[in-house]
Amino acid sequence: GQSLEQPSEVTAVEGAIVQINCTYQTSGFYGLSWYQQHDGGAPTFLSYNALDGLEETGRFSSFLSRSDSYGYLLLQELQMKDSASYFCAVRDSGGGATNKLIFGTGTLLAVQP
Amino acid sequence: GAGVSQSPSNKVTEKGKDVELRCDPISGHTALYWYRQSLGQGLEFLIYFQGNSAPDKSGLPSDRFSAERTGGSVSTLTIQRTQQEDSAVYLCASRQGNTIYFGEGSWLTVV
Repeated sequence: GQSLEQPSEVTAVEGAIVQINCTYQTSGFYGLSWYQQHDGGAPTFLSYNALDGLEETGRFSSFLSRSDSYGYLLLQELQMKDSASYFCAVRDSGGGATNKLIFGTGTLLAVQP
Repeated sequence: GAGVSQSPSNKVTEKGKDVELRCDPISGHTALYWYRQSLGQGLEFLIYFQGNSAPDKSGLPSDRFSAERTGGSVSTLTIQRTQQEDSAVYLCASRQGNTIYFGEGSWLTVV
């Protein structure tokens, strides 16, 4: 089957660093993405990893290890506005016939003053 | 258009009625997705279109759900004989490369 697992909630303080982990199990794999969703809003794209290693975009970084079926999103210098849900997603090649994007269950990040 | 547009933004319907939800993707995006999100939950895949064809409709919960896409652009998700468990936000997204862009969603409440 296809599944992505993330912690349900993470709490951190302003200025800190937080890491949100994602482990996945899919029949095919094109890459790991991360999306942010504020309460009541639409999910927005943060990052994408197709190859192993770390991708950095400003305060956010994302890491992928394909051999471990594992990735994480690293948020640095946390700000109150970073309080949101974060979803990992895998583009599942599913034998090549589909490009279904499967989302994890989401991690609710609460940033405290 | 500038972004993915969905309508209606909010819909309250009586149990047993049919509803149609519309999605207008970003111009030129050939891949289109429908997802469902219940309150506080993750995104549940419903169906994926490439052009006008749907190579993967495995996420449609029952035969009451159907979707079509015409002209490689607008898509309509139809829910027949709505049930209370259908209440959720229905999100449409279109893809360019490895990034998908979501609309604001259609909030459906079945009473």
